[in-house]
Amino acid sequence: GNSVTQMEGPVTLSEEAFLTINCTYTATGYPSLFWYVQYPGEGLQLLLKATKADDKGSNKGFEATYRKETTSFHLEKGSVQVSDSAVYFCALKTDSSASKIIFGSGTRLSIRP
Amino acid sequence: KAGVTQTPRYLIKTRGQQVTLSCSPISGHRSVSWYQQTPGQGLQFLFEYFSETQRNKGNFPGRFSGRQFSNSRSEMNVSTLELGDSALYLCASAILRDRSETQYFGPGTRLLVL
Repeated sequence: GNSVTQMEGPVTLSEEAFLTINCTYTATGYPSLFWYVQYPGEGLQLLLKATKADDKGSNKGFEATYRKETTSFHLEKGSVQVSDSAVYFCALKTDSSASKIIFGSGTRLSIRP
Repeated sequence: KAGVTQTPRYLIKTRGQQVTLSCSPISGHRSVSWYQQTPGQGLQFLFEYFSETQRNKGNFPGRFSGRQFSNSRSEMNVSTLELGDSALYLCASAILRDRSETQYFGPGTRLLVL
């Protein structure tokens, strides 16, 4: 079946450090890939998405590239800020389940000043 | 444009009771999906409604049900509550049913079952 695997957390970094959160997926067909972020006490916000192979999604300094050959969609940011502290979810949707999002387990990120 | 709204934001119930949660999607959005978030199981899909019809359903018991009204607002109901139903229930809306469509989430309803 379709699934998403992302790196275990928590991840703790110092401010201005480089961030990578790994995400790999298993899916039939050609899924769309998403990164959502959840701040404490809030719902989910879309961070970025990519809908076909080699697409790069970007937003607020975060980037992720849809790599079909490695079935990956790793999240990166060059210089993190304290305000980036949150839980990050990698997710996918497929044609066969158009509105059903399959989420990874989430990675908690904490940034030290 | 207003975002997805969910009411109530917090709810405390006891085992055996039933509960109804409400979701108002973004204006113009016709697809509404529901998710359950727990520390142990993560984010799990409950069901999706589009044009008042359930289009997709996750692996939850029949105690979990929902509906959608003609104005796209949706409700979900949980009957005979169990302790394990304590969770954050998130609603998401989208314009279309398409894998590339972005779904926008509400702030959630936090349900505590005692």
